[in-house]
Amino acid sequence: GAVVSQHPSRVICKSGTSVKIECRSLDFQATTMFWYRQFPKQSLMLMATSNEGSKATYEQGVEKDKFLINHASLTLSTLTVTSAHPEDSSFYICSAAGQKQETQYFGPGTRLLVL
Amino acid sequence: RKEVEQDPGPFNVPEGATVAFNCTYSNSASQSFFWYRQDCRKEPKLLMSVYSSGNEDGRFTAQLNRASQYISLLIRDSKLSDSATYLCVVNNRYNQGGKLIFGQGTELSVKP
Repeated sequence: GAVVSQHPSRVICKSGTSVKIECRSLDFQATTMFWYRQFPKQSLMLMATSNEGSKATYEQGVEKDKFLINHASLTLSTLTVTSAHPEDSSFYICSAAGQKQETQYFGPGTRLLVL
Repeated sequence: RKEVEQDPGPFNVPEGATVAFNCTYSNSASQSFFWYRQDCRKEPKLLMSVYSSGNEDGRFTAQLNRASQYISLLIRDSKLSDSATYLCVVNNRYNQGGKLIFGQGTELSVKP
């Protein structure tokens, strides 16, 4: 199957700093990328959907100014957690889909810990 | 009410047991249905799609009842390696452009 990578795999940062997470599709063109967040023992929750070259669509309750998403190319989307706080500590997972959106391929996730 | 609901478990079963997971979804306009498997601290991985006619993949059988908005997964002859969290997933893509809706997952622990 297709491969999606995320970087970094884990990050620890101080409260108030910003953290950037990259999501790359390695062997296909991802017209759409999705960003999910998963807290311990909970379900994956979609945060936002990004289409290449356009603004991301955020789910209700997700602050677009706090979680900045950029999808500048067909192989790369970034999520920046601005002014991170301990409650932002979570498992962030991206997925990528091609033009037909028949399948989403998940990245390995990024574990964020804000101290 | 959650869009996708699952029994959180955990289900603790011995090797060789048959175990069934249930899932219900609230949006009758949902278009496609899946079971994913998620190992601890890893990303979810597609286990199988679910069709109205029912489908089988080795020891795994999935069923969909659109009238009842109910999805099931049956695992026969369970193995230690089946221990994971099983996620029921619904795709409302024709209404929401490919947005996957995840249940909270059912944890399975297979013991020797």
